Amino acid sequence: SQTIHQWPATLVQPVGSPLSLECTVEGTSNPNLYWYRQAAGRGLQLLFYSVGIGQISSEVPQNLSASRPQDRQFILSSKKLLLSDSGFYLCAWSGMDDAGSQPQHFGDGTRLSIL
Amino acid sequence: AQSVAQPEDQVNVAEGNPLTVKCTYSVSGNPYLFWYVQYPNRGLQFLLKYITGDNLVKGSYGFEAEFNKSQTSFHLKKPSALVSDSALYFCAVRDGTFKTIFGAGTRLFVKA
Repeated sequence: SQTIHQWPATLVQPVGSPLSLECTVEGTSNPNLYWYRQAAGRGLQLLFYSVGIGQISSEVPQNLSASRPQDRQFILSSKKLLLSDSGFYLCAWSGMDDAGSQPQHFGDGTRLSIL
Repeated sequence: AQSVAQPEDQVNVAEGNPLTVKCTYSVSGNPYLFWYVQYPNRGLQFLLKYITGDNLVKGSYGFEAEFNKSQTSFHLKKPSALVSDSALYFCAVRDGTFKTIFGAGTRLFVKA
């Protein structure tokens, strides 16, 4: 069966520090991968999605970036964190033959607090 | 442009009573509609989806949803609520692209 792992679960970082959040998927090949941010336990904001290695689409301009160095690995990064980067970050995957009819499967998220 | 509306921030229901969480959508073409549930400090879990066919879709944990094309609605229902159903529920729509549009979420409280 397919599983998705995100780490760390919780992270406290000072303003201006770098960030690296990692997400890996097991049990499937060539998944579509997504990073979301959820603010205040409500709506989800799509940050990035990837349909293959090295292919990243950005949805919202900001000081975050994403990379996909391996088929089932998706990394969210920042060179300098801002206070406004605080939030709950969720990684998700969907099947490679996904034409829109397949659901997304989410990791358990990373809660990021910026001090 | 695609959009999803969940008109209720919160729904309160007594245990054992039926529950409904409302969702309306706007999408060009045929909609792919989904419901997800989120428990505290967890990711979203897929409950059910409507792609085509029967307007009543059955999903996990006894939930079902009714697709109504004329009203552009996709309401989530359960005949008998449990306290453990208390969570945040998201309706979502996809239009055949890689993007999913999520509603703002509805918090369900089931009182014992």
